Amino acid sequence: SAVISQKPSRDICQRGTSLTIQCQVDSQVTMMFWYRQQPGQSLTLIATANQGSEATYESGFVIDKFPISRPNLTFSTLTVSNMSPEDSSIYLCSVDGSYTGELFFGEGSRLTVL
Amino acid sequence: AQRVTQPEKLLSVFKGAPVELKCNYSYSGSPELFWYVQYSRQRLQLLLRHISRESIKGFTADLNKGETSFHLKKPFAQEEDSAMYYCALGGSQGNLIFGKGTKLSVKP
Repeated sequence: SAVISQKPSRDICQRGTSLTIQCQVDSQVTMMFWYRQQPGQSLTLIATANQGSEATYESGFVIDKFPISRPNLTFSTLTVSNMSPEDSSIYLCSVDGSYTGELFFGEGSRLTVL
Repeated sequence: AQRVTQPEKLLSVFKGAPVELKCNYSYSGSPELFWYVQYSRQRLQLLLRHISRESIKGFTADLNKGETSFHLKKPFAQEEDSAMYYCALGGSQGNLIFGKGTKLSVKP
């Protein structure tokens, strides 16, 4: 299994600002995923972040809005840029469980944009 | 396209009653299916996966390829089973594709 720590756990931000969410894993993992969970909705994949390469974004998500860094095998960041109230969501970091297909999740970062 | 459908947003049962949370999927290949659970104020965690054919906390789920279903069942619900349940399908990139979730409420 993998233990994932996310920071911040929650934040309240002003429209037009940017926030960076950090994800730290207690072991080296190949694949890291960033999900968004809007209020009352399911989890939607934003992007896949692999170390040493650019993140792969899902349809509807772009790098300018959600830049991602993956400097090593235990850490990643997701930035939510130029925020608007529609970006108010829980953002979740997850990692693969190697050979099982299972994903492990962080506790999420609850973002409220005013 | 890969898709997961959970038709029930909310399921409310009494303690001791049987529970079935429905999940249907759309996938042309051989699917990998999971059930995840999120208890109040806790992180999302794996409940069970179809490949292991196990029973966790009394829950079981059988993959039915003919009906493209992976329903979650428990013969006797307990109050501590109250949570959000998500059915998920393994994606082509190693990610998971989630259904919209079913909130299970078990009343005393």
